[in-house]
Amino acid sequence: SQKIEQNSEALNIQEGKTATLTCNYTNYSPAYLQWYRQDPGRGPVFLLLIRENEKEKRKERLKVTFDTTLKQSLFHITASQPADSATYLCALDETGSARQLTFGSGTQLTVLP
Amino acid sequence: GAVVSQHPSRVICKSGTSVKIECRSLDFQATTMFWYRQFPKQSLMLMATSNEGSKATYEQGVEKDKFLINHASLTLSTLTVTSAHPEDSSFYICSARGTVHLRGGYTFGSGTRLTVV
Repeated sequence: SQKIEQNSEALNIQEGKTATLTCNYTNYSPAYLQWYRQDPGRGPVFLLLIRENEKEKRKERLKVTFDTTLKQSLFHITASQPADSATYLCALDETGSARQLTFGSGTQLTVLP
Repeated sequence: GAVVSQHPSRVICKSGTSVKIECRSLDFQATTMFWYRQFPKQSLMLMATSNEGSKATYEQGVEKDKFLINHASLTLSTLTVTSAHPEDSSFYICSARGTVHLRGGYTFGSGTRLTVV
């Protein structure tokens, strides 16, 4: 069956450290993988998209890697800040036309001051 | 740019009544809109996809007669929960996509917390 798993429901790290979140998938062949941030009681906010033929994508303090052999994406936040505390969702787009996304259940990140 | 406005943010209704949720794209034309529901600590589950001017496509297990979706214009989609019951209580989120999203990503509304009492 198809599955998207994000590592641990919750992750606590110290301010200034690098947070690494994992997204593993089974029985999907995504053309794109996307990462979103969701704050409590709010809708997700798009952060980064990486294509199947890309290994790495960066945006400011964010970095995403995509390994289609391992069927895994890693999401890194460097020099983390308490304001980075939120739930982070990975989402797969199999079609390549982004008609529909399938979301993981998210990892709740808390950055401790 | 690419802002989606969703209203209301919270609604409490009595069992058996209907509730309408609006999703508007404020600064772009949304050729496709999506409706999700999310239970606490769970993933967003796609309910339906709608294209402007055509009938919505519902995901398996979603009752089309209970969750009425109308996408009458390129900037507005509505979700009506008919004859709501307590088990319909959830967080409903819309998202929209248009030509502004050619480089990727979707824009989501801020969500509607529905509580049926």
